[in-house]
Amino acid sequence: NAGVTQTPKFRVLKTGQSMTLLCAQDMNHEYMYWYRQDPGMGLRLIHYSVGEGTTAKGEVPDGYNVSRLKKQNFLLGLESAAPSQTSVYFCASSYTAGGRAFQETQYFGPGTRLLVL
Amino acid sequence: AQSVTQLGSHVSVSEGALVLLRCNYSSSVPPYLFWYVQYPNQGLQLLLKYTSAATLVKGINGFEAEFKKSETSFHLTKPSAHMSDAAEYFCAVSRDSGYALNFGKGTSLLVTP
Repeated sequence: NAGVTQTPKFRVLKTGQSMTLLCAQDMNHEYMYWYRQDPGMGLRLIHYSVGEGTTAKGEVPDGYNVSRLKKQNFLLGLESAAPSQTSVYFCASSYTAGGRAFQETQYFGPGTRLLVL
Repeated sequence: AQSVTQLGSHVSVSEGALVLLRCNYSSSVPPYLFWYVQYPNQGLQLLLKYTSAATLVKGINGFEAEFKKSETSFHLTKPSAHMSDAAEYFCAVSRDSGYALNFGKGTSLLVTP
């Protein structure tokens, strides 16, 4: 099992450019999340998904879009990057068992470092 | 709304000394509480979690935490620090929606020889 993987590991963008971050998990988890991590701010939830084809906004969704076309993948898009989106982005996933969601135990990817100039 | 506050953004201890990282929570209902660790340039890894069973929770790498409702605290401890414990530690609480976590701002642990 690779667990949760993220692509790319590092990216530099110019203001106004677009890009998509890919998150993939091979654990058959229902729930997936995107967080951003900034110094002194901890992790803040951007968007999340509770299943294929469903997404919802988190704490800081502005400037981002997401899609969950396949259960194993969760894509985070930046349509027009801004310097304020310079951050480290983490994807996470969690599972259900016996009909109960264990979403509290989240498995994290290694992160994507994004620099917007 | 549920939230956590981590007291001290940086904590420094000597190797072999007690580690104490503080976390206080705010919740209108019995919460689920978690400690995660992040080693340099890595993602977060679950250390331990409290889910309303035993109030003293043991985790990996010799860490434990005690849920104290009267103090609304969930402090993380380890009797003897190792150099390998140097990392960023995050306390988290489950959200009202139950779908994601609210993280604290993190405490950076430095272990000195």
